Amino acid sequence: DAGVIQSPRHEVTEMGQEVTLRCKPISGHDYLFWYRQTMMRGLELLIYFNNNVPIDDSGMPEDRFSAKMPNASFSTLKIQPSEPRDSAVYFCASSLRAYGDEQYFGPGTRLTVT
Amino acid sequence: SQKIEQNSEALNIQEGKTATLTCNYTNYSPAYLQWYRQDPGRGPVFLLLIRENEKEKRKERLKVTFDTTLKQSLFHITASQPADSATYLCALGPRSGGYNKLIFGAGTRLAVHP
Repeated sequence: DAGVIQSPRHEVTEMGQEVTLRCKPISGHDYLFWYRQTMMRGLELLIYFNNNVPIDDSGMPEDRFSAKMPNASFSTLKIQPSEPRDSAVYFCASSLRAYGDEQYFGPGTRLTVT
Repeated sequence: SQKIEQNSEALNIQEGKTATLTCNYTNYSPAYLQWYRQDPGRGPVFLLLIRENEKEKRKERLKVTFDTTLKQSLFHITASQPADSATYLCALGPRSGGYNKLIFGAGTRLAVHP
């Protein structure tokens, strides 16, 4: 298996633009997680899905952020409009089971908003 | 709110020595704890899981302890090698809910010198 796939790997955009990050989880994994990592705040959970359904989006910073999972093999995280404080590395992760299972992380998307 | 503390300073050790990393937490009672390794520019990679009823877990040169009274986990790498240089993250797992919603520490950077 190729592991969790994320695209793009790097994204540079101007403030106010829409940004869409993409993720393909490992086949057969029922759980998908979106994280954000910054030096100041570390690795934060934004939202996670179980069988394509959003379970907990309490970590989504504000209404500018939205996430979808239209099918078991694809998810998007959208920021509209983007702001410089959104600059971070965004990771997607998936896991097979719910409780106690290890999470498999993708390589991340480094987002820079100027 | 819950708080996780890992050594904020980088840990520098000599090759062959044992590295010991600390993870302390407050205002939380995790049912399990996971350790991940993160290399620069990459996503975290799962290393070990230890449950609250386990005192110690080993995997090759790695050993993890979990003291629920002290609210602390120690992560040991014996016979350390330069290839062990990375950032190590601890993550707390929830007691209930059935969902794998992890809370990550900020990580400790380990540098093993030849």
